[in-house]
Amino acid sequence: EAGVAQSPRYKIIEKRQSVAFWCNPISGHATLYWYQQILGQGPKLLIQFQNNGVVDDSQLPKDRFSAERLKGVDSTLKIQPAKLEDSAVYLCASSPSTKETQYFGPGTRLLVL
Amino acid sequence: SQQGEEDPQALSIQEGENATMNCSYKTSINNLQWYRQNSGRGLVHLILIRSNEREKHSGRLRVTLDTSKKSSSLLITASRAADTASYFCATGNDYKLSFGAGTTVTVRA
Repeated sequence: EAGVAQSPRYKIIEKRQSVAFWCNPISGHATLYWYQQILGQGPKLLIQFQNNGVVDDSQLPKDRFSAERLKGVDSTLKIQPAKLEDSAVYLCASSPSTKETQYFGPGTRLLVL
Repeated sequence: SQQGEEDPQALSIQEGENATMNCSYKTSINNLQWYRQNSGRGLVHLILIRSNEREKHSGRLRVTLDTSKKSSSLLITASRAADTASYFCATGNDYKLSFGAGTTVTVRA
């Protein structure tokens, strides 16, 4: 069974530019999560989808971050415009449903200069 | 906010020794999970213990949960160099996981 796929793996941008990350969850997993992990910290949940509906986006900085999961499968996370403090690893995870084990992708390492 | 807090922040042990790390949390939970993260990689799920369980084993891993003290421990027995990683506890409520800052474990050959 294929795992969670993410791309790109690395991205370097200038501040105020925009960037987008893509995630393909494990087939059949209804729940999809985006996390931000700053160096030396644990992952922080940005947004959680159940199929194509948003369950929780309370920690998503909505003035600059947006995410969508239009067909209930793949998801994209966008930052526009990026700030220096957005430098982090962005992790995507999926699970069959909530309350279950989450399966993580390899992450996208973002550096904002 | 991150609910779980791991202790210690860092741990260095000799290969073959046991490694123990602890996690404390503040609010009630449905389950508590432990994840491992190797440098530059995503997180890998290790073990899930439900709030009505007290102990769980998986291979060389042993997890305990004391809901009265709001704490959990992860024991890795007979450590190997490949166990070098960061270990995170994550507390689960109805639909969400909250991760701690992690314990960095270094296993010396």
